[in-house]
Amino acid sequence: EAQVTQNPRYLITVTGKKLTVTCSQNMNHEYMSWYRQDPGLGLRQIYYSMNVEVTDKGDVPEGYKVSRKEKRNFPLILESPSPNQTSLYFCASSKAGSMQETQYFGPGTRLLVL
Amino acid sequence: AQSVTQPDIHITVSEGASLELRCNYSYGATPYLFWYVQSPGQGLQLLLKYFSGDTLVQGIKGFEAEFKRSQSSFNLRKPSVHWSDAAEYFCAVGARNTGTASKLTFGTGTRLQVTL
Repeated sequence: EAQVTQNPRYLITVTGKKLTVTCSQNMNHEYMSWYRQDPGLGLRQIYYSMNVEVTDKGDVPEGYKVSRKEKRNFPLILESPSPNQTSLYFCASSKAGSMQETQYFGPGTRLLVL
Repeated sequence: AQSVTQPDIHITVSEGASLELRCNYSYGATPYLFWYVQSPGQGLQLLLKYFSGDTLVQGIKGFEAEFKRSQSSFNLRKPSVHWSDAAEYFCAVGARNTGTASKLTFGTGTRLQVTL
């Protein structure tokens, strides 16, 4: 089954404790992206990757890091989480190079930073 | 830069009634337009998309949307709502420039409640 998976689905952590949210897709997609969803703000793009070893900032990249060492994986790293990073995070993937390709979203990771 | 406005934060309709969710976009040319649905606790699922051609687009689950260039709108419609349609709906616009070929800009969402 074609899918985007994220782990963990729920996470409670404390300020400053480094964490990683994993994202994996089995569709051989070149393009992957991370979004955060906050009430009243919709989804905002954090980082995206056009292919392996190619990443770039989205609209709200501060406080986040990403890496793309393999085509199927695109982890989101919070080196020193803060309470304002409490949010619902979505990973998405699609074939690169064309907006006409459908973006597939993962189920989301709900993060609470205390 | 593109932007999307969904003026209705919350809409309540009765089961069986018709539905229209509003979406207005800002973009310098003809954009790519999308509607996604997010059911409680789920990720986003694509309902339909517009790229070019026929301005009335049919999607899954009986939804349709009409692109109106003169009004910069892409409203989502359904003739008869089912209780299972209760969810949050997001309109999104995509730029046609290839530099960020897959970047989507989302609206703030409209939460649909369906009463029985």
